[in-house]
Amino acid sequence: DAGITQSPRHKVTETGTPVTLRCHQTENHRYMYWYRQDPGHGLRLIHYSYGVKDTDKGEVSDGYSVSRSKTEDFLLTLESATSSQTSVYFCAISPSSGANVLTFGAGSRLTVL
Amino acid sequence: QQQVKQSPQSLIVQKGGISIINCAYENTAFDYFPWYQQFPGKGPALLIAIRPDVSEKKEGRFTISFNKSAKQFSLHIMDSQPGDSATYFCAASKTYGNKLTFGGGTRVLVKP
Repeated sequence: DAGITQSPRHKVTETGTPVTLRCHQTENHRYMYWYRQDPGHGLRLIHYSYGVKDTDKGEVSDGYSVSRSKTEDFLLTLESATSSQTSVYFCAISPSSGANVLTFGAGSRLTVL
Repeated sequence: QQQVKQSPQSLIVQKGGISIINCAYENTAFDYFPWYQQFPGKGPALLIAIRPDVSEKKEGRFTISFNKSAKQFSLHIMDSQPGDSATYFCAASKTYGNKLTFGGGTRVLVKP
């Protein structure tokens, strides 16, 4: 595998609680992404980062925030989880060149009750 | 808005048959079109990609066909095998853009 680890892999939480998902890479890639996967919707971009402390919104960013304090770590936070955020979350990385060639992590399955 | 539309949502094919998945895009600035393959419990992985300067690209049993005027591209899996059973995603982006837009995915089941 390409040195990208997501944690936790599975989490069940209750509505209104904060949740943080972590993505850790050992490839020293510049770009990091958070996607969510839902049936019929494919993969939708939540947020992405193009460097330390440099982040931008994707198409479904409402209710999510991100932080990147080190090259290797990209955190996704749900400030107050809702049932609509039940999903499988994937982190992806790409190098500076060919920034649209993505390597995905194994995913984090989040259930919000 | 869904900039990349993928069909069908699911597909069942017999071993040895041909699987065909179609995608249509809206943004004429897109010039990079990859396909990703995802097995259950795993993250998607790049399978094959094409740029619009060619109309077809083949890698083993997998072929991408591209129609720039129709803004459509498709994946053909020849001689489909049970090991090809997976979910396939098409995607599109600008070559030097940093955001891929994915289609909705197609679950392919190859029956032995």
